[in-house]
Amino acid sequence: DAGVIQSPRHEVTEMGQEVTLRCKPISGHDYLFWYRQTMMRGLELLIYFNNNVPIDDSGMPEDRFSAKMPNASFSTLKIQPSEPRDSAVYFCASSFTSGKLFFGSGTQLSVL
Amino acid sequence: GNSVTQMEGPVTLSEEAFLTINCTYTATGYPSLFWYVQYPGEGLQLLLKATKADDKGSNKGFEATYRKETTSFHLEKGSVQVSDSAVYFCALMGIYGGATNKLIFGTGTLLAVQP
Repeated sequence: DAGVIQSPRHEVTEMGQEVTLRCKPISGHDYLFWYRQTMMRGLELLIYFNNNVPIDDSGMPEDRFSAKMPNASFSTLKIQPSEPRDSAVYFCASSFTSGKLFFGSGTQLSVL
Repeated sequence: GNSVTQMEGPVTLSEEAFLTINCTYTATGYPSLFWYVQYPGEGLQLLLKATKADDKGSNKGFEATYRKETTSFHLEKGSVQVSDSAVYFCALMGIYGGATNKLIFGTGTLLAVQP
């Protein structure tokens, strides 16, 4: 298996633009997680899905953030409009309920 | 709520030195405990885990023992190598009603090993 695949690897955008981050989990995994990593706040869980259903979105910072999982093999995290303080590395991770998370390589987002 | 506290870094050691990274947790019930490692430019990888009190997780020379009496899960390695330089995250997962809950991470500790 290729592991968790995220795209793009790097994204540079201007304030106010819409940003869409993509994730393909490992086939067969039933949990998908979106994390944000910054120097100031460390690794924060934004939202997670179980069997494509959002279970806990309490970490989503505000209404500008939204996440979807239309099927078992794809998820998106959208920020609209983006702001400079959204600059971070966004990780997607998946698991098969075992507690062992497999992380993607992350998307480095820079909002100018 | 559940939380994890780990020592702030960076931790700078010489090769072959002994490593300890402290981690304590707060949780209801009996959580599972984990150490993840993040190498530069990569996502996190599971290093080791323990699922009940007194369990010892070990991998690649790293060890951590689940101590319920002190609510701790300190990471240790007897002799570090330059290739161990990375950020180490302590994490817990609580189990509520038999269902798996989310993984909660500490803030991470940067380890820098010098030759």
